[in-house]
Amino acid sequence: DAKTTQPPSMDCAEGRAANLPCNHSTISGNEYVYWYRQIHSQGPQYIIHGLKNNETNEMASLIITEDRKSSTLILPHATLRDTAVYYCIVTDTGTASKLTFGTGTRLQVTL
Amino acid sequence: GAVVSQHPSWVICKSGTSVKIECRSLDFQATTMFWYRQFPKQSLMLMATSNEGSKATYEQGVEKDKFLINHASLTLSTLTVTSAHPEDSSFYICSAARQGNTIYFGEGSWLTVV
Repeated sequence: DAKTTQPPSMDCAEGRAANLPCNHSTISGNEYVYWYRQIHSQGPQYIIHGLKNNETNEMASLIITEDRKSSTLILPHATLRDTAVYYCIVTDTGTASKLTFGTGTRLQVTL
Repeated sequence: GAVVSQHPSWVICKSGTSVKIECRSLDFQATTMFWYRQFPKQSLMLMATSNEGSKATYEQGVEKDKFLINHASLTLSTLTVTSAHPEDSSFYICSAARQGNTIYFGEGSWLTVV
C-alpha cells in the first residue's frame, strides 16, 4: 500500500471549513484514498473515500488532485464534535478491508 | 447506527486469566474481519485477519497462541487474550467490510489487566 503523509496537528475555528491535506505521491492506479477519523476512546469512523474523482457526502468532501498524488478532506462547517484524529489511508480494492494506519492529523476545533 | 459491534466495551481481568472479546457485523455478512490494537497516544496496529471457516492470519510479531481468533460464523469473530498480563492492556478494535468495499469499525474494547 502507498504511504501517506499528513501534518501532525491542525486547528480550526468552529463554523469555519477545515481542510485536511494528505500526500500520497506513490499511489498506484488501482488504489483508493480513504478517510477515517477517531474521536477519543472510540473506534475509527468512516468518512469518505474516492479513486480519482472528487467525492461529497453528508459529512465531508474529498478533493483529489489530477495526478492523484495528494488529496484534501474538507469539513465544510467544523463543530467542536469534529475534534478528532483524522487518518488518510491509501489501499487497493483487493485489500480494501485491510487498512494500515499512519499517525494521522489531530484536528482541534475551537470556539 | 453502528454496523459493527464489539462486546464488552471494557473489561478488567486478573493477570494470568483469559478474556474474550466479540466482534459482530450487524445486518451484513463478513467473511473477513480484522483485529487491531491501539496503545495510548499511538495509532492502530493491525494484529490479525480473521477468516470465516479457516485459520486467522497474524501480522509479524503477534503471538498466535496468545491472541486466539475464532471466526465461526459470517457475523461473529472473537479474540481471546490468553494468560493476559499487564502489558496486554490496550484498546482492541475490530473491523469488517460491508458490500462496496466500505470498511466499518467496532466501538472498541478496553482491556485492563491487573
